[in-house]
Amino acid sequence: QSALTQPASVSGSPGQSITISCTGTSSDVGVFNYVSWYQQHPGKAPKFLIYEVSNRPSGVPDRFSGSKSGNTASLTISGLQAEDEADYYCSSYTSSSTQVFGTGTKVTVL
Amino acid sequence: QVQLEESGGGVVQPGRSLRLSCEASGFTFSNYGMHWVRQAPGKGLEWVAVISYDGREKYYGDSMKGRFTISRDNSKNTLSLQMNSLRPDDTAVYYCAKDFVKDGAGGADSWGQGTLVTVSS
Repeated sequence: QSALTQPASVSGSPGQSITISCTGTSSDVGVFNYVSWYQQHPGKAPKFLIYEVSNRPSGVPDRFSGSKSGNTASLTISGLQAEDEADYYCSSYTSSSTQVFGTGTKVTVL
Repeated sequence: QVQLEESGGGVVQPGRSLRLSCEASGFTFSNYGMHWVRQAPGKGLEWVAVISYDGREKYYGDSMKGRFTISRDNSKNTLSLQMNSLRPDDTAVYYCAKDFVKDGAGGADSWGQGTLVTVSS
């Protein structure tokens, strides 16, 4: 199972919006709505950010939103803040009943 | 609140075995699928294995098949990962994570702090 493809890095200024893409295949992202997003700060465990493509767990700011079109899922961060600087990973359930993570994206707040 | 505490990490020689454990609390452990996820130093997340709420279904990442075994003891709220024939590229922080659905298909909504496994001679 190959990793989902994400851009290595994305940057933006405070207050701007950025979007991170997550491209899979018709065996994972394209056919299942079990797409999740995670935020990871250096030296910390990942934090659950988005589930089932576009749902936010309680406590996650509504600046974070998710969507999907075909084999590509996306995470948008609106009103970028300094504390959003972190690594972001997508994941998807697959047709083999496994999970697969994305390659990860480093978000830099300029 | 959900708490997951991994243990069992350490330094091990190539070809040897190691068993990781994860003690869960703060939720009904027997109702949720559970995952192991690892992260090599400076690298991204890699999914390792999942086990369903009742332990009947288990699935593994390609590079772990035949070497790693995931198990759970619902009477003790404990998740385990038996790792055999360890290789240097198994060196990573291993995280225990709870899924939000029974069969482990949904995604990991809670994570432990991880335990470091170093495979080196």
